[in-house]
Amino acid sequence: DAKTTQPPSMDCAEGRAANLPCNHSTISGNEYVYWYRQIHSQGPQYIIHGLKNNETNEMASLIITEDRKSSTLILPHATLRDTAVYYCIVRVFRTASKLTFGTGTRLQVML
Amino acid sequence: GAVVSQHPSRVICKSGTSVKIECRSLDFQATTMFWYRQFPKQSLMLMATSNEGSKATYEQGVEKDKFLINHASLTLSTLTVTSAHPEDSSFYICSVDAAAGDAGNTIYFGEGSWLTVV
Repeated sequence: DAKTTQPPSMDCAEGRAANLPCNHSTISGNEYVYWYRQIHSQGPQYIIHGLKNNETNEMASLIITEDRKSSTLILPHATLRDTAVYYCIVRVFRTASKLTFGTGTRLQVML
Repeated sequence: GAVVSQHPSRVICKSGTSVKIECRSLDFQATTMFWYRQFPKQSLMLMATSNEGSKATYEQGVEKDKFLINHASLTLSTLTVTSAHPEDSSFYICSVDAAAGDAGNTIYFGEGSWLTVV
């Protein structure tokens, strides 16, 4: 699976949008971009995934650049409960089920 | 509701003893489960792949005789930390791949199990 690079930490004011970047310059054509988050002392939680089109669900939006070498996870209205470590992972869809976690981005949402 | 359940959520054991952690797939059958370990302020590290009805596959550097994995049924995998030492204290997390489903996301994680060896 391709390697990903994320900033180690970010701050965001509550109610504002949180934009979390991820670089995956070596992504292959059949690899999807997945985002998970881990709230302290809990197991990772799935957020969203995509291949090349922008995706949106009830939790977040995922913007993937046209060359697919980077993406941005957007939490439109961050709350204190969104404080967590966010992991960007690339993998072939429904294969290679063992995930390789990078260091992720620690998002701190502040009042 | 939870798709994957781990038990216990927290356990304290004495050095030299063994402790078992269970991972249950609640909503679907899973021929493959994964065990991760996470030390404080670090990322998740894959320990092994648990295969139903066959031997587990361990990642490099993980002692198979120390971390015994049993996957006797399609809904249950167990991780036994044998002869535990304080350095084994960690957060252990399992995951399940619901590859049989049609959902876009097929990987679900348990709530994790905190192990403290004293």
